[in-house]
Amino acid sequence: DTAVSQTPKYLVTQMGNDKSIKCEQNLGHDTMYWYKQDSKKFLKIMFSYNNKELIINETVPNRFSPKSPDKAHLNLHINSLELGDSAVYFCASSHVYRAEAFFGQGTRLTVV
Amino acid sequence: ILNVEQSPQSLHVQEGDSTNFTCSFPSSNFYALHWYRWETAKSPEALFVMTLNGDEKKKGRISATLNTKEGYSYLYIKGSQPEDSATYLCAFIRGSSNTGKLIFGQGTTLQVKP
Repeated sequence: DTAVSQTPKYLVTQMGNDKSIKCEQNLGHDTMYWYKQDSKKFLKIMFSYNNKELIINETVPNRFSPKSPDKAHLNLHINSLELGDSAVYFCASSHVYRAEAFFGQGTRLTVV
Repeated sequence: ILNVEQSPQSLHVQEGDSTNFTCSFPSSNFYALHWYRWETAKSPEALFVMTLNGDEKKKGRISATLNTKEGYSYLYIKGSQPEDSATYLCAFIRGSSNTGKLIFGQGTTLQVKP
């Protein structure tokens, strides 16, 4: 059983399109995150949700909107995709704030 | 701006060698430090969560120490094996931040040659 699963694994889309990446965790964790792996391979946090409530919203363009229908899911919707949005996006979850994070396998987004 | 620095950036060792990496983080406002192991084409997996100054953690041949007062952590691998080849990430959580926001270093990429 995959603990944190993201879909799709690969996403190729044209500039200007709207797309979503889904994330689900079956670990019973209260906290979920979205991270972006930038061009220098750094993992940078974008959003954090705790019990469906937005906790962290880093300086991310408004075109990125997280949605948490329940505490097992945190989806990432991106409007009007730009070339610079191309990256690998990782979903993660943890039990409490400083506990280890469990990561999904990543979604490689390519905007052409 | 919080910086988490890891050194070296990459490391090549022979099978059987022991090695260590460094993670430096701001010494003020410490909350927790994590170490993750990230194999190619996989997702990061937690090795250790460290919260107290002087903490020492061990998992098999891998161990880590923590010095929160001077702002560094060491990760040690004893008798490296080819399967240890991966990128090792450390991540810092700032004190008074009860949000779990992990600030990652750029990682140390280890290659173990058979």
